[in-house]
Parts: sequence; C-alpha cells; structure tokens
Amino acid sequence: DTGVSQDPRHKITKRGQNVTFRCDPISEHNRLYWYRQTLGQGPEFLTYFQNEAQLEKSRLLSDRFSAERPKGSFSTLEIQRTEQGDSAMYLCASSLVDFNTEAFFGQGTRLTVV
Amino acid sequence: DQQVKQNSPSLSVQEGRISILNCDYTNSMFDYFLWYKKYPAEGPTFLISISSIKDKNEDGRFTVFLNKSAKHLSLHIVPSQPGDSAVYFCAATNAGGTSYGKLTFGQGTILTVHP
Repeated sequence: DTGVSQDPRHKITKRGQNVTFRCDPISEHNRLYWYRQTLGQGPEFLTYFQNEAQLEKSRLLSDRFSAERPKGSFSTLEIQRTEQGDSAMYLCASSLVDFNTEAFFGQGTRLTVV
Repeated sequence: DQQVKQNSPSLSVQEGRISILNCDYTNSMFDYFLWYKKYPAEGPTFLISISSIKDKNEDGRFTVFLNKSAKHLSLHIVPSQPGDSAVYFCAATNAGGTSYGKLTFGQGTILTVHP
C-alpha cells in the first residue's frame, strides 16, 4: 500500500496527558498537511510542511500543539496537556509541489480525551 | 468565518437519478476548487476538481460546474448509484498564492442513494 498512513487509528487519553500522532506520506510527495475534523464539520487546516520546513500554521494551532517533519519524510503531531476540546479526527494529507495537484488523505487518527 | 459553505446537510436521491450537490464560497482569492468524498472511518478521497479558468469539468458520471460571478459551484452525479452514498466535501484553495494546496473545506453534504 503506497497511500498515506497514519498511526494510531484511535487514541483514548485522559485529560492533561500528552499524545503524539504519526503520518507517513506518499513517498515522492514533498508537501504534508495536517487537518482536524470535528463532528458535522469539514476538515480544518492546522499546518503544512514543504519537505522539512513548516511553512504555515493556523491560529487553531495553540501552543500546546507542535508538528515536526525532521527529515522531510514522516511527520509527527504532538498535543501537550490534552483538553476535552481536542477530541477530533486528525487527518494527514500529502501532495506534490505542483499547480493543480490534489492532496491524498490518510485514514486519520481519532482522538478521544476523557 | 465560513469561507466555503455547503448549505444542505443531506440529500436523498433514487438510484439512476441525478444528484446535485451545491457549494458557495466567499473568498474571491480562491481559484481552484475540489470535491472530496468520504466514507465512514476513512479519509477523504479526491473526486474531481476545477480551475477558475473553466466553468465545467467532467469525469465519467461526475461533472463540476463553476459560476464565478455567483461564487457558486455544484457537483452533478449522473446516474447516481448506491455506492455513491457518502459525505461529499467541497474545498477551495488559492492556487496562485504561496499557500496553494492548503484547502478550505465546506461542512459536507451527506448523500444517500436509495436502490
């Protein structure tokens, strides 16, 4: 399978704990995006990387959130001191740097904060 | 502010008939539009796209129409099939800007196609 892979698929954590999610993009894709989706809403942009450089962060991404893509391949998204409001589906997508190329999404990580 | 809106939360159609899903946008900087389909427990899957230099793009049973003056686009599925039942998201981006690829999504429309 050469699609976008996310791990874990599900995560249940207690409020105040830290969690980390991983995304492995399609191997030749140099752009990687993180989105968050809550019930009844469309995905909301969080941040994106071109190779290892983080080029943009949404204001939705509070200081408790940090993302990395250390070698321009896989990426991690960490949430520190989780809150119940962080419960959502976290989606990763990747694409080529090219005009009019679509992004391919992974299956997402569903986070539940209890 | 909701820059991309899908005002119909759900749509129900009979198999073989046409499904029309609508989307409105407010940001005039958007110049590239996409439709994604999402099944439960899966990530969104790209369906079809259209650039603002066109007013129509067709791919098999799927056609997207763009009305720039009205800031409106629609997805037509003809004929609809039960396997088309899913959530459909409209998305937009500024392909000519530095953040091209960063997508702004609508809230989604749940399409149900009855046999």
